[in-house]
Amino acid sequence: NAGVTQTPKFQVLKTGQSMTLQCAQDMNHNSMYWYRQDPGMGLRLIYYSASEGTTDKGEVPNGYNVSRLNKREFSLRLESAAPSQTSVYFCASRDGEQYFGPGTRLTVT
Amino acid sequence: KQEVTQIPAALSVPEGENLVLNCSFTDSAIYNLQWFRQDPGKGLTSLLLIQSSQREQTSGRLNASLDKSSGRSTLYIAASQPGDSATYLCAVRRSSGTYKYIFGTGTRLKVLA
Repeated sequence: NAGVTQTPKFQVLKTGQSMTLQCAQDMNHNSMYWYRQDPGMGLRLIYYSASEGTTDKGEVPNGYNVSRLNKREFSLRLESAAPSQTSVYFCASRDGEQYFGPGTRLTVT
Repeated sequence: KQEVTQIPAALSVPEGENLVLNCSFTDSAIYNLQWFRQDPGKGLTSLLLIQSSQREQTSGRLNASLDKSSGRSTLYIAASQPGDSATYLCAVRRSSGTYKYIFGTGTRLKVLA
């Protein structure tokens, strides 16, 4: 049982480049989340999807887009990366509890 | 606006000590509260989930309590071990009408052998 998987594990981008972070869960959960974690700021919600076909903004959605491709997959896209988006990104899925993936460390130079 | 605070930010204790980690929240209208541990460079691992109707939950050496009226949850770790060293975070789901969670910034625990 893989749980929540994320790709890639590490990524370095130049300012203005775009990329998509992938997330998949095999637990048949309806809800999925994208967070970013920055030192001293804790985890902040970027977007979430309560169920397949729906997405909603969290606390810090600016500069990001998401796609809930199907029940398993929830991707996060940075259209034009900025240094302020340097962070660790976590995907999570939820039944009652939240289950987290291992994270993607993104550096934007 | 719901705010979640964890104090202290860091804590060092000798092995074998019983300890309490604190999580405070400003709005008592919560749906549930979840405790996690995070090892360096890793994702979050769920420890305990307490529903708003519950007073406590236990798993092994861990016991989490919830007092909504005072806006406080505590995570009690019995007989601490070096392997318990990690950052502990709490997260609050604000109400049944939202799927959003608010996280505290965590307490970094070091258990000394």
